[in-house]
Amino acid sequence: GDSVTQMEGPVTLSEEAFLTINCTYTATGYPSLFWYVQYPGEGLQLLLKATKADDKGSNKGFEATYRKETTSFHLEKGSVQVSDSAVYFCALSGSGSGAGSYQLTFGKGTKLSVIP
Amino acid sequence: DTGVSQDPRHKITKRGQNVTFRCDPISEHNRLYWYRQTLGQGPEFLTYFQNEAQLEKSRLLSDRFSAERPKGSFSTLEIQRTEQGDSAMYLCASSSQGGSNQPQHFGDGTRLSIL
Repeated sequence: GDSVTQMEGPVTLSEEAFLTINCTYTATGYPSLFWYVQYPGEGLQLLLKATKADDKGSNKGFEATYRKETTSFHLEKGSVQVSDSAVYFCALSGSGSGAGSYQLTFGKGTKLSVIP
Repeated sequence: DTGVSQDPRHKITKRGQNVTFRCDPISEHNRLYWYRQTLGQGPEFLTYFQNEAQLEKSRLLSDRFSAERPKGSFSTLEIQRTEQGDSAMYLCASSSQGGSNQPQHFGDGTRLSIL
């Protein structure tokens, strides 16, 4: 079945440091890929998405590129802020056909802490 | 802009009791999803509705779990005879018609604690 693997956390960075959170996936077909962010005490918010190979999703300074050849969707940001402290989830959907293709399959999440 | 609303935010109950959660999706969204999230894990899919039809159920959804969406608007998730292992955050999400590339919008969840 489908699966998503994220780098283990927690990740602690100083403000203005460069961020990479690795994400690889296993899926049949051609899934859509997503990054969601969860701030403490809140639900998940969509951060960015990419729906086909070589697409780049971007939002709030974060970027991720859909790499089909390496089955990866790594999240990057050039300069993190304290307000970026949260848990980040990589997810996929739509790898199969029928109703089951709409469900999201998530990684375990990576907790990011940014210190001033 | 009204997002996905879930009620209650927290529920504490004794083992063996029944509980029911409610989810109100974004009004124009016809797809609704339930997920369960345990501490330190990503959300796991439970079930999915398109309008009032329940089209997919995970094997995680045991016989003690039932979900409904009677008029294609709000949805309820009921757990009967709760067990310690049911303690988790229950998340609801909705999305609009379209392919699997339509993003799902999540509520803040209902945290269930079983005593």
